[in-house]
Amino acid sequence: KAGVTQTPRYLIKTRGQQVTLSCSPISGHRSVSWYQQTPGQGLQFLFEYFSETQRNKGNFPGRFSGRQFSNSRSEMNVSTLELGDSALYLCASSLQGIRTDTQYFGPGTRLTVL
Amino acid sequence: GDSVTQMEGPVTLSEEAFLTINCTYTATGYPSLFWYVQYPGEGLQLLLKATKADDKGSNKGFEATYRKETTSFHLEKGSVQVSDSAVYFCVQGGSEKLVFGKGTKLTVNP
Repeated sequence: KAGVTQTPRYLIKTRGQQVTLSCSPISGHRSVSWYQQTPGQGLQFLFEYFSETQRNKGNFPGRFSGRQFSNSRSEMNVSTLELGDSALYLCASSLQGIRTDTQYFGPGTRLTVL
Repeated sequence: GDSVTQMEGPVTLSEEAFLTINCTYTATGYPSLFWYVQYPGEGLQLLLKATKADDKGSNKGFEATYRKETTSFHLEKGSVQVSDSAVYFCVQGGSEKLVFGKGTKLTVNP
């Protein structure tokens, strides 16, 4: 089975721009969740989508948004980029969700904001 | 709010030494608990998990027991190998979000 894939792997943007990241889950997985990893804050939960609906959301501003398509692929959008948004963004997929399931993580998208 | 506190390290051990990485959590209810590992150059992957009190998760010689009375999920291995060098994350699963510890970098020297 193919693993979780994320595109692009690297991105460089400037402040004020917006960016869209993509995540393709393992086939059959209906839950996709997103995380931000920084040296200072560690790994933080952004949100979870399940069957095209946002099921949970972490403590991030509204500039961070996402969506999930009928094939379970998910996108995350960050608008009006700030320097502090520079991070590794990970997505993970699972069959039923984040509560008890094993999460399968992608390799991440490294975003640099200049 | 929910939080996970784990020993941050870095931890450096010699091969065949005993490993303990402490992890405690605060949560309402009874969360599931996980240890994830990130090997150099690789993505996060599950090491072991426990979904209810007194459950013991085990994998690759690692063990952790879900202790509700001490709200802990300490990771242990009796004899570490060089190949165990990685960053280890204690994670709490809840109905609303996953909560990660800061990660513990383990280096095992031959």
